[in-house]
Amino acid sequence: GESVGLHLPTLSVQEGDNSIINCAYSNSASDYFIWYKQESGKGPQFIIDIRSNMDKRQGQRVTVLLNKTVKHLSLQIAATQPGDSAVYFCAESGLGKLIFGQGTELSVKP
Amino acid sequence: EPEVTQTPSHQVTQMGQEVILRCVPISNHLYFYWYRQILGQKVEFLVSFYNNEISEKSEIFDDQFSVERPDGSNFTLKIRSTKLEDSAMYFCASSEGGQPRYYEQYFGPGTRLTVT
Repeated sequence: GESVGLHLPTLSVQEGDNSIINCAYSNSASDYFIWYKQESGKGPQFIIDIRSNMDKRQGQRVTVLLNKTVKHLSLQIAATQPGDSAVYFCAESGLGKLIFGQGTELSVKP
Repeated sequence: EPEVTQTPSHQVTQMGQEVILRCVPISNHLYFYWYRQILGQKVEFLVSFYNNEISEKSEIFDDQFSVERPDGSNFTLKIRSTKLEDSAMYFCASSEGGQPRYYEQYFGPGTRLTVT
């Protein structure tokens, strides 16, 4: 069935380093893939999305890569800051509803 | 910047009681959603709503759940007879458009429901 999952539950990086968070998906028919950031006690906050006909999209300090061949999605955060500490979810858009992955907790060490 | 708001932030109820969770979506948005997140788990879709009717619902959204847009601004989720396993964070979201194409969904801060 449809599923979106994450490879690693936790990721710890040094402040200033780049972070890479990975995601695997199984529904090749999904049209959009989205990354959300969730801070403690808050709702998911949109970071960046990518359409299935693209393989890379850049935002401010973030880049999303999509590899449809292996059904893999990644989020790269450049120069990671303490404020980036949060749980990151990938999600796929399934005809309106969002199907979320399990989440990766990013911890930034000063 | 416009945002989705939810009330209350925390609701404690006894098993078997009815609860109503309230949301005010972004004003020009047309599609509304409820998701839930059990502690430590992923966010799960419950229901989508457009033009005063349910567009899609998940297996979780059984007969104990209902949604309503009672006026031009509020969107509510009612759980008729709460169970212990309904304890979760409930998120409301809204978007300008909806299926079949993708529109960005904006999430509220959530209501933490605790069933005792």
